[in-house]
Amino acid sequence: KNEVEQSPQNLTAQEGEFITINCSYSVGISALHWLQQHPGGGIVSLFMLSSGKKKHGRLIATINIQEKHSSLHITASHPRDSAVYICAPNPQGAQKLVFGQGTRLTINP
Amino acid sequence: DTEVTQTPKHLVMGMTNKKSLKCEQHMGHRAMYWYKQKAKKPPELMFVYSYEKLSINESVPSRFSPECPNSSLLNLHLHALQPEDSALYLCASSQVSPADTQYFGPGTRLTVL
Repeated sequence: KNEVEQSPQNLTAQEGEFITINCSYSVGISALHWLQQHPGGGIVSLFMLSSGKKKHGRLIATINIQEKHSSLHITASHPRDSAVYICAPNPQGAQKLVFGQGTRLTINP
Repeated sequence: DTEVTQTPKHLVMGMTNKKSLKCEQHMGHRAMYWYKQKAKKPPELMFVYSYEKLSINESVPSRFSPECPNSSLLNLHLHALQPEDSALYLCASSQVSPADTQYFGPGTRLTVL
């Protein structure tokens, strides 16, 4: 069993729809990161969470430490949100991140 | 300046060549990382440097040799690579630990012929 499970693996939606991507993990963590990678390249860190909820523009990330679960929400989705979204917790005491397999999001106009 | 730079952007090399990848950050970060990423897969950690000392080597073959000459620079020396080593190589940095936000470079796309 993978330490980090993301769902769904692929998601296609229409512009304007509300998007939710889920991440479950099996170990105690210091923090959890949500990352975005557009086709062709670079990775951008969207959020770093250790508790509660964070919001940046149309993106919201939540984490429930007791349930070992985090979600990334996108409101009023737009084609430019099309990317791979990766959940990456930092296990307690570990000097590294553990990566989920990613969710490939496509937003059609 | 919140940028991590990587050079070169693209590299094609033969199996007998020696080449180096370079990564630079000027954010005062003390943790730096090398990742390898194959198509449609998440990044795989290769090495972690903490305060210029190698703290993690994820059982990477010795044909990859990391170096951290100072707190701003990270190199990855390549020698006698195999075609299966072709991938996107990403560098990242964070303030002190992986719990801190990681800033990623754009990557070097490596092709081994």
